[in-house]
Amino acid sequence: EPEVTQTPSHQVTQMGQEVILRCVPISNHLYFYWYRQILGQKVEFLVSFYNNEISEKSEIFDDQFSVERPDGSNFTLKIRSTKLEDSAMYFCASARGGQKDTQYFGPGTRLTVL
Amino acid sequence: AQKVTQAQTEISVVEKEDVTLDCVYETRDTTYYLFWYKQPPSGELVFLIRRNSFDEQNEISGRYSWNFQKSTSSFNFTITASQVVDSAVYFCALDGTSGSRLTFGEGTQLTVNP
Repeated sequence: EPEVTQTPSHQVTQMGQEVILRCVPISNHLYFYWYRQILGQKVEFLVSFYNNEISEKSEIFDDQFSVERPDGSNFTLKIRSTKLEDSAMYFCASARGGQKDTQYFGPGTRLTVL
Repeated sequence: AQKVTQAQTEISVVEKEDVTLDCVYETRDTTYYLFWYKQPPSGELVFLIRRNSFDEQNEISGRYSWNFQKSTSSFNFTITASQVVDSAVYFCALDGTSGSRLTFGEGTQLTVNP
């Protein structure tokens, strides 16, 4: 069964460094998302992406964040200058079509900022 | 604004007991979708069910059942004859027509003891 994949599974970085989190959505899906989950807390929406542009973003998704679909298969989240509070699990999700379609999540990337 | 409330932070049961996880939501949208996701200790988010606001029929899938009551804005999840493998955090989520984001509840940590 097709699934969303994410790399790396765990990323450790120093405060102020740039990180890129990578996702490969399910191949026939058209809508892509990033969420984050700070340890022990609920899952929070960051951004949605469709037709090569951002559809919606939350207040968390400020100028230090950016997303890109550099080719036909990858979807990336870049954090330009990481802060301690960016430490969280980052989930990528994809949906086949239509805004209300089921979002299928990847296994997550645990980001630790030291 | 959308909100999902899962008032039960933690539930602990003994194997074979039935357990119900509560979910109450708030939205101004007349059309919306409700979801349940399971997050086992390994950390991934596993899709369980999606319901739209026009379909109030209860659903059963094996040991899982869902009770959607629009009048009380609730979408409760029951596991019958619980098993140790059911131990996980369960999230209820809402997707309204205004935007494409999932709004998650705080999650309920279910522990099933042998």
